[in-house]
This record gives sequence, C-alpha cells and structure tokens, in this order.
Amino acid sequence: GAGVSQSPSNKVTEKGKDVELRCDPISGHTALYWYRQSLGQGLEFLIYFQGNSAPDKSGLPSDRFSAERTGGSVSTLTIQRTQQEDSAVYLCASSLVRGYEQYFGPGTRLTVT
Amino acid sequence: DQQVKQNSPSLSVQEGRISILNCDYTNSMFDYFLWYKKYPAEGPTFLISISSIKDKNEDGRFTVFLNKSAKHLSLHIVPSQPGDSAVYFCAASGGGTASKLTFGTGTRLQVTL
Repeated sequence: GAGVSQSPSNKVTEKGKDVELRCDPISGHTALYWYRQSLGQGLEFLIYFQGNSAPDKSGLPSDRFSAERTGGSVSTLTIQRTQQEDSAVYLCASSLVRGYEQYFGPGTRLTVT
Repeated sequence: DQQVKQNSPSLSVQEGRISILNCDYTNSMFDYFLWYKKYPAEGPTFLISISSIKDKNEDGRFTVFLNKSAKHLSLHIVPSQPGDSAVYFCAASGGGTASKLTFGTGTRLQVTL
C-alpha cells in the first residue's frame, strides 16, 4: 500500500516568513511523529500524536513551532517567523500503534535564506 | 546529552565481507532498539529491531546483537553488498518515552567492489 507522503519535497523561504509542511500517514496508522535532521546530525524528535490524546510536544524547539493533526490523519507542521537555524530536513513518520516500528516519509527539505 | 551514540561516522567494507556497525546508549530505561537505513533524499527505512529481553535477532543477512550490561548494540551485515551502501541509524525507545525514538547520528557504510 501507499507509504507516508510529505509535501512539499523542497521549500525555500526567506527569514521571517511562515511555512507549513504537510504529512499524510499510512492509512490505519494511529500514531504520527515529526522529526527533523539538521546537517550532520541525527534525527531529532519534535512532536507525536496518538489518536485523540493530547500531543507530546516535548521536542518542539521553540513556540514558533506548532503542529496539528486533523481527523486523526493528515498533519501539518507550522513554523512561524522562520530563522536560518530552522533549515533542516523535516521527516514525518507513522506507526500502527504507539511505539516502535515507525515508517518514515521522504521528508521536506527546508532552506531558510 | 547524546543518549544514543554512533561513534564511527563512516565505515568502508569490501563486497562479500562482514559489516559491523556499533551503537552505544546511556539511558538504562531504553527497552527497544531499532536500526534504520537511509539513502540520500529518502526517509529512513526500518531494517531490524530487538527487544531488551533478547540478546540477538536475525533477519536474513542482518543480525542485531544487544549487550545490556555494556549498553551496546551492533548490527552485522553478512555478506555485505554494494546496495547496502547507505547511512545507518541506531534508535532506541522506552522508559516511559515510548512515544518517540532517540536516534544516533548515523554511520555511513560504503561497500566497495
């Protein structure tokens, strides 16, 4: 079946602008995660959604970052007033149940100029 | 504080030989460990996992070993193939934070002819 999809694949934005990144998880997967990978770094957890429970936002680096998940499916990660240090690949993953074997999308490469 | 460490940023192995990728962790609450493979411009792909109740898990050419006392795990690929050339990430979960994976910084494996 279809895997996790993300859009756009690439996004170039000017410093100070807002951006929205979209994730479509695998159908039937109840858990959805956002990570980011900065140059030369490992993957850094940002936020996690599970069903109707309150999201785990413990990884969001600042209040400029927010995410929502509508109807238990599609998720949008919003970064307000982007900064150059926000430049990274933003990865979305989903899993059938909470935890372990997460399946990743191809990522959105964000470049803030 | 890097809770999952991959101290070798790169590894080169001849085709047909064994590749051994290493990973160390510091959080004794981690109870599930995974290896992901990542090709350029793609999201990470789940490879193999191991629960802390086991010390070995095998899947075809891939075997993961876990040494809990040393807080160390390794991924063995035998025999190595050119298509195995990728970045390999070790990840860990558990200890009440089963909602997220904590990743290492990755090891780039190059399998040469």
